[in-house]
Formats: sequence, structure tokens, C-alpha cells
Amino acid sequence: QQPVQSPQAVILREGEDAVINCSSSKALYSVHWYRQKHGEAPVFLMILLKGGEQKGHEKISASFNEKKQQSSLYLTASQLSYSGTYFCGTALGDYNNNDMRFGAGTRLTVKP
Amino acid sequence: NAGVTQTPKFQVLKTGQSMTLQCAQDMNHEYMSWYRQDPGMGLRLIHYSVGAGITDQGEVPNGYNVSRSTTEDFPLRLLSAAPSQTSVYFCASSYGGAGELFFGEGSRLTVL
Repeated sequence: QQPVQSPQAVILREGEDAVINCSSSKALYSVHWYRQKHGEAPVFLMILLKGGEQKGHEKISASFNEKKQQSSLYLTASQLSYSGTYFCGTALGDYNNNDMRFGAGTRLTVKP
Repeated sequence: NAGVTQTPKFQVLKTGQSMTLQCAQDMNHEYMSWYRQDPGMGLRLIHYSVGAGITDQGEVPNGYNVSRSTTEDFPLRLLSAAPSQTSVYFCASSYGGAGELFFGEGSRLTVL
């Protein structure tokens, strides 16, 4: 029931763009995206609810394709601070059921 | 403004010992959960609770017990620790079932 993330790792130069994908075999109610720095707790980036919406957060945005049960996280003009591991979390139930499962993560490294 | 507080931050146990990881939140969140994080496997849901007196199992519940007697506290008990339970444990809470998860700083447990 865990979503599948790809790629497993990405190395970028500052200013380059990246896309991280998250897919599920189950019908999704919502998709969350989190970033985790080494030795720290995951930090919330954004949530997308079913309906195929797209959201933005500074230069980081995401989309949710309900028909394909897929979400993508877009990082544009990457900065050194974007380095970390990105996790997608998926919830199958409705608003009152948050049995949330996370993907294995995508390690993003941004170099000067 | 404490948020989600986990104790202890580090713990070393011997096989067969028992212990409780404490988790408390001061945001009046109904939903709380426990995850374990192992290298390359992301965050795996152990148990979760949608309110006081209500708990349910996640992906990897074996070897762990939980209870939720108050809205604020959600302790995780290891009854007989095994080396396979060596991991970093995160407690999280959210306002609604599918809302943003707020994570504690994590508890690193080593079982020898």
C-alpha cells in the first residue's frame, strides 16, 4: 500500500530543475509532500486533495492526477537549501481517516 | 509553543527489555500517529489514533502497543525489544484526518 517514488536520488546544480514522482495502485483521497533534512524531522510542504488540483509553494509546486493516482513535485531554479529527502504521503480514506503511507523517499542533492 | 514533544531522544536497550516512547502534543489535535524510519524504507506507519480511546494498526504494528487515554498523549510501548526494532521513531499529529502532519523531533532507539 506504500506509494512508489521515483527517482530514488537526484543530483542537481544550483538553478536546475527537478521533478519527483509519486504513484499509487489505490484510489487516493489526498497526497502530501514533505522534506526532511538529515537528522531532522520531516517538514510539511503541501497537500493536494483529489480533484486534480495543482499547488505552489515559492518555487516548489505539485500536481495530482486523480485518474492516474499520481502526483508530481516540481522544483524549479533549485537552491542549496532544497537539498534533503522528499517524501510523498498518501491517504486512502476521507477527511476523517488519515491512515497515511509514505514512499521510500527521493534524496535530492543540490550542488553549487 | 512546544508542538509535538517526544522523549527520550536516544535510548539503548538490550534484547527483551521493555520501554515506552512518550509523545505529547499541545495543539489539541485529534489525530496522532507513530512511524518508524529505517534507511531506504521511508516512514512506515506503526499505529495511529483518531481520538482519545480510539487506536488502530498501521503497516508494521507487531511488537508495539499504544493507548490514547487523553487527546494530548500517545505513548508507544515496546513489550520485549528485538534488534529488528532498532530505528528512528517519529510521532506525528494533525488537526484533521487528512491535515498537515506535525512531527516530533524523533527518538533514536538501538536494541542490542
